[in-house]
Amino acid sequence: GENVEQHPSTLSVQEGDSAVIKCTYSDSASNYFPWYKQELGKRPQLIIDIRSNVGEKKDQRIAVTLNKTAKHFSLHITETQPEDSAVYFCAANSGGYQKVTFGTGTKLQVIP
Amino acid sequence: DAGVIQSPRHEVTEMGQEVTLRCKPISGHDYLFWYRQTMMRGLELLIYFNNNVPIDDSGMPEDRFSAKMPNASFSTLKIQPSEPRDSAVYFCASSFQGWEQYFGPGTRLTVT
Repeated sequence: GENVEQHPSTLSVQEGDSAVIKCTYSDSASNYFPWYKQELGKRPQLIIDIRSNVGEKKDQRIAVTLNKTAKHFSLHITETQPEDSAVYFCAANSGGYQKVTFGTGTKLQVIP
Repeated sequence: DAGVIQSPRHEVTEMGQEVTLRCKPISGHDYLFWYRQTMMRGLELLIYFNNNVPIDDSGMPEDRFSAKMPNASFSTLKIQPSEPRDSAVYFCASSFQGWEQYFGPGTRLTVT
């Protein structure tokens, strides 16, 4: 099955700085890579996703890059704000199917 | 649309009791997923359905867990008998064609 590793487990940045979270996956057939944000006590919410036919996708301050050769993908948040503080999960589907495996999460703290 | 609806939001029960969690997916979505989230194990997929048919239940921890989807607008996850190690937050999520998953608010289960 798919194995998704996520680093770092915790990340503290100053407001206005950038944050980068990295993930690797094991299944070479994976073709869908979503990122979820989960605030304390809330549900995970999709913030951005990328499919294997593109190498980069951007949505305002958030961007995701994908390197299929190396089997890794990353989330970039620029100009961080206190409301970006949350746990972020990466995920990858298995064998091209709709089942996704989640990483272990990164707790991001943005210090005002 | 009201989003994915789960009930109850909180459940406290004694070991050995039967627990039933309920989920109403977003109208028009054809995939439904049940997840369990704990600090130790993170976010785990238990089972998922496509057009009301169970596709992959390999994440169901043991025979004490069962899930049904009698129609497109309702699913249940049942634990019988419950054990303290089942304490977790259980999320239901739905999606259209299996891509972007929308999570419900979750059910926080405590088994004493």
